[in-house]
Order: sequence, then C-alpha cells, then structure tokens
Amino acid sequence: EDKVVQSPLSLVVHEGDTVTLNCSYEVTNFRSLLWYKQEKKAPTFLFMLTSSGIEKKSGRLSSILDKKELFSILNITATQTGDSAIYLCAVKSGGSNYKLTFGKGTLLTVNP
Amino acid sequence: GAGVSQSPRYKVAKRGQDVALRCDPISGHVSLFWYQQALGQGPEFLTYFQNEAQLDKSGLPSDRFFAERPEGSVSTLKIQRTQQEDSAVYLCASRPGQGTYEQYFGPGTRLTVT
Repeated sequence: EDKVVQSPLSLVVHEGDTVTLNCSYEVTNFRSLLWYKQEKKAPTFLFMLTSSGIEKKSGRLSSILDKKELFSILNITATQTGDSAIYLCAVKSGGSNYKLTFGKGTLLTVNP
Repeated sequence: GAGVSQSPRYKVAKRGQDVALRCDPISGHVSLFWYQQALGQGPEFLTYFQNEAQLDKSGLPSDRFFAERPEGSVSTLKIQRTQQEDSAVYLCASRPGQGTYEQYFGPGTRLTVT
C-alpha cells in the first residue's frame, strides 16, 4: 500500500522565519509528487516534481525532490501570516494515471 | 474562469438520513475525482470518473456511498443512511485530461452527521 508521511504535523513560527516541511513516501512505481496549500477552502496547487534534484521555485516557496532517498522538502522563506495553512503532499504512483495518495499534512501557523 | 464549485458548503444530517453532494467541475474537464477528508487527515480517494464513466470506485467505504456523473459534467455523491463516521469534508477535483496530473479542487462540502 502506498504511504506518504509528512513532518512535522504542526509548526508555529514568527513572521520572517524560514520553514522547511518534509514529505517522505513509499510507493510502487513513483511517477510524481505534488504539493498543495489548503486554507479553509479548496487545496490549491503549488508544485509538481518528477525529477530528482531540480528545484522548483515560486516566489518565496521552493521545493525539491530526492528520488533516491524518497523524500521532498518544501521551503518557505520570509514567512508571512498569509502562509498559515495546511500544506499537503501527494504522490502519484504507477498502476493508475490518476490516483493521488496524500499525507496528513503539516499545519503551519505564522504569528505576527 | 470559474473553478470547481461544490454545494452545499455545509450539511448537517441526522443519522440515518440520505444526503446528496454536488460537484460542478471546471468546464471541459474530462476527469473528476471525489475525496473524503476526515479531521486532521489528508484527503483520501473515493472514486474517479472519466467523462460519464466511473472507472474506479475502489475508495468508496461502503455500499451506502454512490456517485454518478450521467452527462460527463456535474457529479453527485450520494450517501445513504448516514452514520457518524461519515462526518468529514468531501472534496471534488477535476482535471483536463489523462495526461496531466494536476487536479483542481473545489472548496468541499463539510458533512456533519449527528
């Protein structure tokens, strides 16, 4: 059974801090890893990673995948209160071309 | 353009009642997914449609759960004889086709069974 584990489960920081969120996975026939941000509404797409070692960047957020060690990290620099959300990691594995297996998420709280 | 919409946003049902949750995917999106997200958990896959065909319903937790997408656009998730353990947020997502992996999520319906 595919497994995605995120850590920490929750994190509280102050504005301006840098945070690193972790996602490790055990899946058969890995295809891609996705990060989503979930506030009190729809999860919104952040990144999709398929290749090891290639950093994806969007503003203050960046992510990288290590397919040898089976993990990904999501970095957020200069955090703002608007970054407070649950960050979900999901993995797409072989066997189907659609099913995503999600981790439990990391609840990030950024205090002013 | 408009994103995925779901209705109702909140639903309270008494145990034993039937409920119907609606999803309007992004226009033209071929693939549609339903997920169940319990409190403190990540979304868990329920079922997948490609157009009107339900290609995978392996995640439906029991035969009380039924989903349809008769015309390949709007989808309805029906839960019969609701139980307390059905309380969760039900998320719908759509995707343009088979080749892309990014799924666009709706805001969810929060179902509370009392």
